[in-house]
Amino acid sequence: DAMVIQNPRYQVTQFGKPVTLSCSQTLNHNVMYWYQQKSSQAPKLLFHYYDKDFNNEADTPDNFQSRRPNTSFCFLDIRSPGLGDAAMYLCATSGGLGLGEQYFGPGTRLTVT
Amino acid sequence: AQSVTQPDIHITVSEGASLELRCNYSYGATPYLFWYVQSPGQGLQLLLKYFSGDTLVQGIKGFEAEFKRSQSSFNLRKPSVHWSDAAEYFCAVGGTGNQFYFGTGTSLTVIP
Repeated sequence: DAMVIQNPRYQVTQFGKPVTLSCSQTLNHNVMYWYQQKSSQAPKLLFHYYDKDFNNEADTPDNFQSRRPNTSFCFLDIRSPGLGDAAMYLCATSGGLGLGEQYFGPGTRLTVT
Repeated sequence: AQSVTQPDIHITVSEGASLELRCNYSYGATPYLFWYVQSPGQGLQLLLKYFSGDTLVQGIKGFEAEFKRSQSSFNLRKPSVHWSDAAEYFCAVGGTGNQFYFGTGTSLTVIP
């Protein structure tokens, strides 16, 4: 089945130690999104790629970066994680901007110690 | 400004009872409307969507939703709730570009 895969499902990192979260998709979708979701809150969009075009939300901290080496993969890099960055990180894809639903991966739960 | 409001933070229903989760949106153009469900520790799964046409849409797991333009609402319903429906439910509105606005979610508890 076509799907969105996130690895790892659970990640523990130390305060200030860089961490990378991975997302891959078999849907061949143009758009990939990264969301941050804190407990009991709605997902918050961090940024998205339309093909190789990167679009950062205005309030996304500089500490968060992303890479998309090809259509299938997208990475979220947190350069110096703080305690406030502990959250669920969700990757999603869609077939194009304004073309409807987003397909979500299972998420990566990040813990910062 | 575009926004989505889910007025109920938490709802508790008995198994077998009917369910309605409320969603109100604010969007300048014709919106695309979605309901997603999220089980604990999981990603979001699409329940149903409305783009155009029939205002009553059917989704997976026995859910349906009705788009009411005059009320700017897109309420989710299920006639008989199962214990496995306990989860977090998010309403979302999407449009052109990358905009995809989520409500703050409604947590559903199902009691035996």
